[in-house]
Amino acid sequence: KAGVTQTPRYLIKTRGQQVTLSCSPISGHRSVSWYQQTPGQGLQFLFEYFSETQRNKGNFPGRFSGRQFSNSRSEMNVSTLELGDSALYLCASSLEAGGFEQYFGPGTRLTVT
Amino acid sequence: GIQVEQSPPDLILQEGANSTLRCNFSDSVNNLQWFHQNPWGQLINLFYIPSGTKQNGRLSATTVATERYSLLYISSSQTTDSGVYFCAVGGNTPLVFGKGTRLSVIA
Repeated sequence: KAGVTQTPRYLIKTRGQQVTLSCSPISGHRSVSWYQQTPGQGLQFLFEYFSETQRNKGNFPGRFSGRQFSNSRSEMNVSTLELGDSALYLCASSLEAGGFEQYFGPGTRLTVT
Repeated sequence: GIQVEQSPPDLILQEGANSTLRCNFSDSVNNLQWFHQNPWGQLINLFYIPSGTKQNGRLSATTVATERYSLLYISSSQTTDSGVYFCAVGGNTPLVFGKGTRLSVIA
């Protein structure tokens, strides 16, 4: 069974631009969660989607948004990029909602210049 | 919210040595996972272990939910075990990660 895939793997953007990251979960998994990893803050929860509905949202500004499609694929968007948004963005999938037994993708490394 | 503390923060081992990593958490949980993050950033599932003991090859884990801690044992360490080990907990809520233990195994 194929694992979680994320595209693109690397991205360089300029301050003020926006970016969209994509995540395809493991086949049959209906829950997708997103995390941001930085050296200073560690791994922080962004949001969780289940059956196209956002179940939980972490403590991030409204510039961070996401959505989930009917095939469980998910995208997250960051608008008006800031230097501090440079991070590794990780997507995880699980069978059911609630964060149980999550499997992570390889991540998208975003650099904002 | 739930607080997660991992110890030690850094660990250097000679190849072949054994180690124990600890994860303490501040509240009742029904979800606990151990991950290994490799040098490329990929988080690899090691154990889903909200309670009890599990073993997978040279690795084993024990969670004592009533005392709010979990232990990850690595035996006969290899250089490929190097990386950061994370404990993450939750209770039908998003996972909260500890800061990790950075393990370096030297040949």
